[in-house]
Amino acid sequence: GAVVSQHPSWVICKSGTSVKIECRSLDFQATTMFWYRQFPKQSLMLMATSNEGSKATYEQGVEKDKFLINHASLTLSTLTVTSAHPEDSSFYICSAEGDKREQYFGPGTRLTVT
Amino acid sequence: GNSVTQMEGPVTLSEEAFLTINCTYTATGYPSLFWYVQYPGEGLQLLLKATKADDKGSNKGFEATYRKETTSFHLEKGSVQVSDSAVYFCALRDQGAQKLVFGQGTRLTINP
Repeated sequence: GAVVSQHPSWVICKSGTSVKIECRSLDFQATTMFWYRQFPKQSLMLMATSNEGSKATYEQGVEKDKFLINHASLTLSTLTVTSAHPEDSSFYICSAEGDKREQYFGPGTRLTVT
Repeated sequence: GNSVTQMEGPVTLSEEAFLTINCTYTATGYPSLFWYVQYPGEGLQLLLKATKADDKGSNKGFEATYRKETTSFHLEKGSVQVSDSAVYFCALRDQGAQKLVFGQGTRLTINP
């Protein structure tokens, strides 16, 4: 149980375009989901906390107009990278909070902007 | 602010060797401490946790003890296997908080 999926697992896009990444909790409902960014050989950095039905809370330094987060249902949150640039290339990971406040992580999405 | 520092990797060991991955933390309150493991191509999985001082978390032969006096949560295993090859992350969560703060991760490779 407690499986989280992400789609796509890998995406390449041209500079200036937008990309949407989906995060789904497959077998449980999650009021809260989290979006992280991971650079090569570095830690996971929390970007934002997403609560179902309300606006996301962004960490300091994260541009909310560039990284749009929508948590429209208890099983789906989306991250849209708008007007992507090469510096946005990274590994994006989501997690969903289940029972006992434990976070369950998706496998990640690798974004490459050319 | 809160932070977590892990020993730098990569770490390479032979099968059946003893493993220690060091983790120290800085926190203002009384955080919960976690070890997560990320196998190739998979998401992070919770390996073990401890919620208060002197608690010992254990799972799959791995252990870690919450040491408040040294602000440490070192991960140990007595005899590693090839299947333990993965990236290991130490993390903390402050009391009452939702968010996790991660260390930089340690890549472990076990050779047969």
